Amino acid sequence: EAGVTQSPTHLIKTRGQQATLRCSPISGHTSVYWYQQALGLGLQFLLWYDEGEERNRGNFPPRFSGRQFPNYSSELNVNALELEDSALYLCASSLVEDEQYFGPGTRLTVT
Amino acid sequence: DQQVKQNSPSLSVQEGRISILNCDYTNSMFDYFLWYKKYPAEGPTFLISISSIKDKNEDGRFTVFLNKSAKHLSLHIVPSQPGDSAVYFCAASESTGNQFYFGTGTSLTVIP
Repeated sequence: EAGVTQSPTHLIKTRGQQATLRCSPISGHTSVYWYQQALGLGLQFLLWYDEGEERNRGNFPPRFSGRQFPNYSSELNVNALELEDSALYLCASSLVEDEQYFGPGTRLTVT
Repeated sequence: DQQVKQNSPSLSVQEGRISILNCDYTNSMFDYFLWYKKYPAEGPTFLISISSIKDKNEDGRFTVFLNKSAKHLSLHIVPSQPGDSAVYFCAASESTGNQFYFGTGTSLTVIP
């Protein structure tokens, strides 16, 4: 069974640009979560989508947004990129609350 | 404000010995806790969980202990193996929500 996939693996953008990160959940999983892991910090919760709707968001500014498509895949969009947005962005999917399966992550570098 | 804390960034243990990884939390509403293991260039993988109705959960070489009064949990790995070398994250959530709060991770090195 294929796991959670994320694309691209690496993304380099300049300050002020927009970044789009993509995630495909495990087949049958309806929930997708996005996390940011910045240097020296733990995983910070960004967004939770379930059945196409945003269910919860973490303490991030509105320029972090996303959506979930009918096939349950998801996009994370970061507008007006800032240097401190450089981080590893992890996507996870789940069917039940207690187990989240993570993808390999997208490394975003903002220069 | 970090609601889940792992105060030891790294830990080295000899193969065959016990590894003890610690985690503290501040939110008394947390009632579900998980440990994840992360290898370089990979996403975290679920290891073991515990709910607040228990104080211990065991799965093979891995045991998680929960001390609710101290707001502390620990992961014990016995015996430690070189393949256990990874970064371990603890995470916590409230059962009414689906948002997990993660610690900053502890890098475990098991020396052969």
